[in-house]
Amino acid sequence: DGGITQSPKYLFRKEGQNVTLSCEQNLNHDAMYWYRQDPGQGLRLIYYSQIVNDFQKGDIAEGYSVSREKKESFPLTVTSAQKNPTAFYLCASSIQTGSEKLFFGSGTQLSVL
Amino acid sequence: AQSVTQPDIHITVSEGASLELRCNYSYGATPYLFWYVQSPGQGLQLLLKYFSGDTLVQGIKGFEAEFKRSQSSFNLRKPSVHWSDAAEYFCAVGADGGSNYKLTFGKGTLLTVNP
Repeated sequence: DGGITQSPKYLFRKEGQNVTLSCEQNLNHDAMYWYRQDPGQGLRLIYYSQIVNDFQKGDIAEGYSVSREKKESFPLTVTSAQKNPTAFYLCASSIQTGSEKLFFGSGTQLSVL
Repeated sequence: AQSVTQPDIHITVSEGASLELRCNYSYGATPYLFWYVQSPGQGLQLLLKYFSGDTLVQGIKGFEAEFKRSQSSFNLRKPSVHWSDAAEYFCAVGADGGSNYKLTFGKGTLLTVNP
């Protein structure tokens, strides 16, 4: 079955540590996105990628980095510069970045030790 | 810039009762409007979307929504709620030709269904 796989489901970060969240899709979608979700808040866009080897900052990119070396993969690194990283992180994809349906992964909960 | 307001943080209904979740948006041009649903600890799933045309939109799982330009609203409705509908619901508005990276999500409405 086609879909988006995020791993791990739960992740813990120590102070000063960088951690990487995995997102893989087999939907053959060009566009991929990373969102951050905090309790009682809507989704906020961190980064997006319209095509391989290209990505753009979203609304809250500070303290995060991404890469898009393969069409299927869009990993997100939460760096030590992100002072408040505890949140639920959602990866999504769409055929293109036009007004198309977003397909979401099941998320990664990141917590700080 | 566009914005979305979901006035109700939490709604409780009885199974079999009707449901209406409110969504108000702010955007100067014709908006692209979406409703997504999220089960606990999961990603979001698209229920329905409005781009143009008929203002009453049918979605999956028996949901529908009506676009009312005069009220800047896009309320989600279901005539009879099932226990499996308990989840969090997000309204989103798109701009700039509907580009996904221009989506603004509301803060969500948590739906509890009583047996």
